[in-house]
Amino acid sequence: DADVTQTPRNRITKTGKRIMLECSQTKGHDRMYWYRQDPGLGLRLIYYSFDVKDINKGEISDGYSVSRQAQAKFSLSLESAIPNQTALYFCATSDAQGLAPDEQFFGPGTRLTVL
Amino acid sequence: LAKTTQPISMDSYEGQEVNITCSHNNIATNDYITWYQQFPSQGPRFIIQGYKTKVTNEVASLFIPADRKSSTLSLPRVSLSDTAVYYCLVVRGGATNKLIFGTGTLLAVQP
Repeated sequence: DADVTQTPRNRITKTGKRIMLECSQTKGHDRMYWYRQDPGLGLRLIYYSFDVKDINKGEISDGYSVSRQAQAKFSLSLESAIPNQTALYFCATSDAQGLAPDEQFFGPGTRLTVL
Repeated sequence: LAKTTQPISMDSYEGQEVNITCSHNNIATNDYITWYQQFPSQGPRFIIQGYKTKVTNEVASLFIPADRKSSTLSLPRVSLSDTAVYYCLVVRGGATNKLIFGTGTLLAVQP
């Protein structure tokens, strides 16, 4: 979805380096998410944020940190990258829908390779 | 959250109706059934969501029996561009809104 952008789209880095992946959205949504996807597998939730002051761990938060700089921006950091963090990373946004689960809108993904 | 089970892969031909069934035996009262579609190297895209009976939109229909232990995504008259992975998810309504993806069903549509 063009309303959710991720930078960079591709990144190759070395073990031990700090790296930041950025996500921006123009949809005006309060809720933002970071997922990773490994080959042949479904997505796994890393962190999520329901508003600027809210940060929550997902299934696989170890080795990652996040920052919600503004409603529109949610960054994912790898403090010291390791090879098994090589994956496709997706950012998503959603708007609260009351009782029913939100529809999540995904960005185009960042392909990260850690050598 | 209830675990989902769906076929690993399915084959179809253009113009056919495709039905992908998902089982979720331990679905809870507050849970909804949601389907996402994913093309290679792209983020997933929401297709349809339902709680019970039948839901239809411009893309698909979702059939949910009374016991809600399974559901069927129906894609009418598929085309080559419908080749993708389809994920069935059980999502808790209310505050959490977490999506837990399985491995999905790879639908291959042939001419």
